[in-house]
Amino acid sequence: ELKVEQNPLFLSMQEGKNYTIYCNYSTTSDRLYWYRQDPGKSLESLFVLLSNGAVKQEGRLMASLDTKARLSTLHITAAVHDLSATYFCAVDISGGSNYKLTFGKGTLLTVNP
Amino acid sequence: SAVISQKPSRDICQRGTSLTIQCQVDSQVTMMFWYRQQPGQSLTLIATANQGSEATYESGFVIDKFPISRPNLTFSTLTVSNMSPEDSSIYLCSVVRTGGTQYFGPGTRLTVL
Repeated sequence: ELKVEQNPLFLSMQEGKNYTIYCNYSTTSDRLYWYRQDPGKSLESLFVLLSNGAVKQEGRLMASLDTKARLSTLHITAAVHDLSATYFCAVDISGGSNYKLTFGKGTLLTVNP
Repeated sequence: SAVISQKPSRDICQRGTSLTIQCQVDSQVTMMFWYRQQPGQSLTLIATANQGSEATYESGFVIDKFPISRPNLTFSTLTVSNMSPEDSSIYLCSVVRTGGTQYFGPGTRLTVL
């Protein structure tokens, strides 16, 4: 059974600081996703990582994937209050065109002034 | 991206009743899924909605409880049958677009009394 573990589950940051959220998974994966969820809202797609060594950046967020270590990271640079949300990683091990996602528990990020 | 709508956006239902949730996509998609997000929890895949055939259910979910229809490539329904308070959750549909990104609908927030 696939296990997807995120840490930390709760993260309180000061504005302007850097931090990293980690996502470990237990089985070889074809695709790894990062999503953002604001309170009472649906999920917003941030990144799709498809291969070992993949790195994607959007604004203050950068995601990377190490398939050998079964590890993805979401790095936050110079945090701002608007980044406060819950961040989920999700892993697809179904292969081919099945696209079935298993989600981590999420990281609740709070950025304080 | 994908424009996905769900109806209803929220509902409060009595124990023992059923609710049908609709998911409409702005263009044809092959892959469509239904997920559940219990209060304060992560997302769990309920089933893959297959066009023209029976849905494929994940472990722990059965057709009698969560019947799904997929009459065409832009529309699907999920019914939550014989509801109990434990069914109180957010139900989300999702679709896969070219490149493998999976987009989520706005969700249906269900409360069962």
